[in-house]
Amino acid sequence: GNSVTQMEGPVTLSEEAFLTINCTYTATGYPSLFWYVQYPGEGLQLLLKATKADDKGSNKGFEATYRKETTSFHLEKGSVQVSDSAVYFCALSPFSGGYNKLIFGAGTRLAVHP
Amino acid sequence: EAQVTQNPRYLITVTGKKLTVTCSQNMNHEYMSWYRQDPGLGLRQIYYSMNVEVTDKGDVPEGYKVSRKEKRNFPLILESPSPNQTSLYFCASSLNREHEQYFGPGTRLTVT
Repeated sequence: GNSVTQMEGPVTLSEEAFLTINCTYTATGYPSLFWYVQYPGEGLQLLLKATKADDKGSNKGFEATYRKETTSFHLEKGSVQVSDSAVYFCALSPFSGGYNKLIFGAGTRLAVHP
Repeated sequence: EAQVTQNPRYLITVTGKKLTVTCSQNMNHEYMSWYRQDPGLGLRQIYYSMNVEVTDKGDVPEGYKVSRKEKRNFPLILESPSPNQTSLYFCASSLNREHEQYFGPGTRLTVT
């Protein structure tokens, strides 16, 4: 079946540190991959996406590359800010190019301190 | 402002007392969905709707009902809530299955 595994949190960093949140997936076919962010008290927002192998999604300084050979979609940011503190969810859609029927990982909480 | 709204935002109820959580979107989206979020499990899809009068089960539909009589509204109904339905619920909508889902702010439900 389809599934997403994320590194457990919380991840605690100082401002301007480098961030990596690992995400691996299991899927048949050619899924689309996503990172969503949830700020305190809010719903999820799409952060970035990649719809085929070797695609790189990027937004707000965050990047993730769709690696089919390692079935991974790790989230990275070169210099985090306090405002990046949130919960980050890796997700896949079994349908290439499709957004619905999302399957989420457990989420990783990021706390950034000044 | 384009948005998905949910009501109530917080609800505490007792076992067996029927409740409805409303969801409304003002973007003329065809696709709507309900998720529940539980610690360590991420979000899991409960039900979804491709359009008016078209609904289908997601991954965890037991104990829930939905209806889609109007395009903008997609209420979630718990006929006889139980404590294991204590969770954070999110409604989402998208133009269709090919487009990004927009999430509501969430409803925190506690069943005692």
